[in-house]
Amino acid sequence: TQLLEQSPQFLSIQEGENLTVYCNSSSVFSSLQWYRQEPGEGPVLLVTVVTGGEVKKLKRLTFQFGDARKDSSLHITAAQPGDTGLYLCAGWGSGTYKYIFGTGTRLKVLA
Amino acid sequence: DVKVTQSSRYLVKRTGEKVFLECVQDMDHENMFWYRQDPGLGLRLIYFSYDVKMKEKGDIPEGYSVSREKKERFSLILESASTNQTSMYLCASSPDRAGSGFTDTQYFGPGTRLTVL
Repeated sequence: TQLLEQSPQFLSIQEGENLTVYCNSSSVFSSLQWYRQEPGEGPVLLVTVVTGGEVKKLKRLTFQFGDARKDSSLHITAAQPGDTGLYLCAGWGSGTYKYIFGTGTRLKVLA
Repeated sequence: DVKVTQSSRYLVKRTGEKVFLECVQDMDHENMFWYRQDPGLGLRLIYFSYDVKMKEKGDIPEGYSVSREKKERFSLILESASTNQTSMYLCASSPDRAGSGFTDTQYFGPGTRLTVL
């Protein structure tokens, strides 16, 4: 069974701090997506990473795909209260029609 | 922009009622999915569909059925609602067949928070 483990599970930080969220698997993924979900809403796509070693930037968010395409990270610089939410990584399991979600990281940024 | 809409944001039903949750996408996507999301359990796939009139069971199909009569619409049916089906239900669609390429993204609706009393 392919799993995506995220760490940390919960994170509460002060505005202006930096943080990194990790998404790890023992399996190879052809691509990984990162989503943010706010309370009472559906997940919204932030980015897709495809190539091993790829780095993508979205304003203060930096996403990296591991060289072996088994892991990914999300780094937020100078976090703001608007970054608060549930962060999910996800990807298609190889050889299956199953879209696998990570366990999630719930981030709270305090003003 | 892709838009996925769900018929209700909040729904309250009684045990034993038949419940219909509707989902519509406007981008001619082939694939549509129903998930439920519960604290501590994450998103769990209930059913998915790759084409009109086609359906496949996900991880937790018991107590649910689905219908896809038109490409843009995917309905989730709770035949006889029970309290353990109280949850957030999320519909999603995606443009490509699974694992086929770079645009594997799933696009989500806003969710329906269902409470079964």
